[in-house]
Amino acid sequence: KAGVTQTPRYLIKTRGQQVTLSCSPISGHRSVSWYQQTPGQGLQFLFEYFSETQRNKGNFPGRFSGRQFSNSRSEMNVSTLELGDSALYLCASSLRETSGRDNEQFFGPGTRLTVL
Amino acid sequence: QKEVEQDPGPLSVPEGAIVSLNCTYSNSAFQYFMWYRQYSRKGPELLMYTYSSGNKEDGRFTAQVDKSSKYISLFIRDSQPSDSATYLCAMILLSGSARQLTFGSGTQLTVLP
Repeated sequence: KAGVTQTPRYLIKTRGQQVTLSCSPISGHRSVSWYQQTPGQGLQFLFEYFSETQRNKGNFPGRFSGRQFSNSRSEMNVSTLELGDSALYLCASSLRETSGRDNEQFFGPGTRLTVL
Repeated sequence: QKEVEQDPGPLSVPEGAIVSLNCTYSNSAFQYFMWYRQYSRKGPELLMYTYSSGNKEDGRFTAQVDKSSKYISLFIRDSQPSDSATYLCAMILLSGSARQLTFGSGTQLTVLP
């Protein structure tokens, strides 16, 4: 079974630009969560999508947004990039049908975003 | 105070040693507990998943959860150089239809050959 895939793997942008990152979950997984990882703040939760609906959102400004498609693939968008947005952006998928092991989250390799 | 506190390390041990990694948490509503391993420039890899107090063993890895003390640990027996990575504890809080995974800051482990 293929794992979680993220594209692109590396991205360089300049301040003020916007960026869209893509995540394809494991086949059959309906939940996709996004995280930002930086050396200073560690792994921080951005948002979770399940069945095309945002179920939860972390403490990030409105410049960070996302969506999920009917095939469970998800995209994350960051507008008006700032230097502090440079980070590894990770996507994780899970079954999330009920409780228990359905909550196991499997991570992709991440997209490393550098803002100059 | 962070909801999840993790011993920051870094930790350096000789090959074959027993490694103990620890996290404490403040929110008693956390229901599921995980340990992830992250190699440099890779995504986190799920190592252990548990939801009840007690021990869970998988090969050389043992996860321990003490809900009364709000404390979780990961033990690695017979550590190998390939275990050198950053280890992250993580916890899930379920609230209605919302679910959020909260991570510790990570412990960098180096196993010396």
